[in-house]
Amino acid sequence: ILNVEQSPQSLHVQEGDSTNFTCSFPSSNFYALHWYRWETAKSPEALFVMTLNGDEKKKGRISATLNTKEGYSYLYIKGSQPEDSATYLCAFEEKLTFGTGTRLTIIP
Amino acid sequence: DAGVTQSPTHLIKTRGQHVTLRCSPISGHKSVSWYQQVLGQGPQFIFQYYEKEERGRGNFPDRFSARQFPNYSSELNVNALLLGDSALYLCASRPGPQVPYTLQYFGPGTRLTVT
Repeated sequence: ILNVEQSPQSLHVQEGDSTNFTCSFPSSNFYALHWYRWETAKSPEALFVMTLNGDEKKKGRISATLNTKEGYSYLYIKGSQPEDSATYLCAFEEKLTFGTGTRLTIIP
Repeated sequence: DAGVTQSPTHLIKTRGQHVTLRCSPISGHKSVSWYQQVLGQGPQFIFQYYEKEERGRGNFPDRFSARQFPNYSSELNVNALLLGDSALYLCASRPGPQVPYTLQYFGPGTRLTVT
């Protein structure tokens, strides 16, 4: 059974501050890592899929890095805004295995 | 373009009954996956289908089955419902399961309550 862990479980950040959180996954048999944003009452939204060690992806104020050798990925949010409040999930290929997510709350 | 659609939105069933959930993928997407999400946990993989064939199965009992139709839509069937089957069932589509791995797009889910 694959173990994908995310930390912290929850996070409160002041509006305007930057933040980051972690996804840890098995470093062997790596295929790809996905990041999703899931707002309450909406569908999970695909942010990134990363496949290569050292990959960096960016979408607006959100970026992610990947280290397949040590088995972790970081998600960064720069200048947090209230609309960034959501649960952020990472998932490990294949047969996507999800972490339990980091619940981010932006305090206005 | 329409996103992934699922029906019904909500469903209440009694223990022992059978349920069928439906999913239509994004146009052009041939791969459909099903997930179960219980409160406080990440989605758990149930099945993946590609070109009407099962390509992957998660750790779920045989009461769970699925199929994919020629138009790439899919059904998830659960027999002999248990209280523990109460969850949000998510469907996701992607162009195909092949490398390079592509983003997967989720539907809004079906909330199943078993009483």
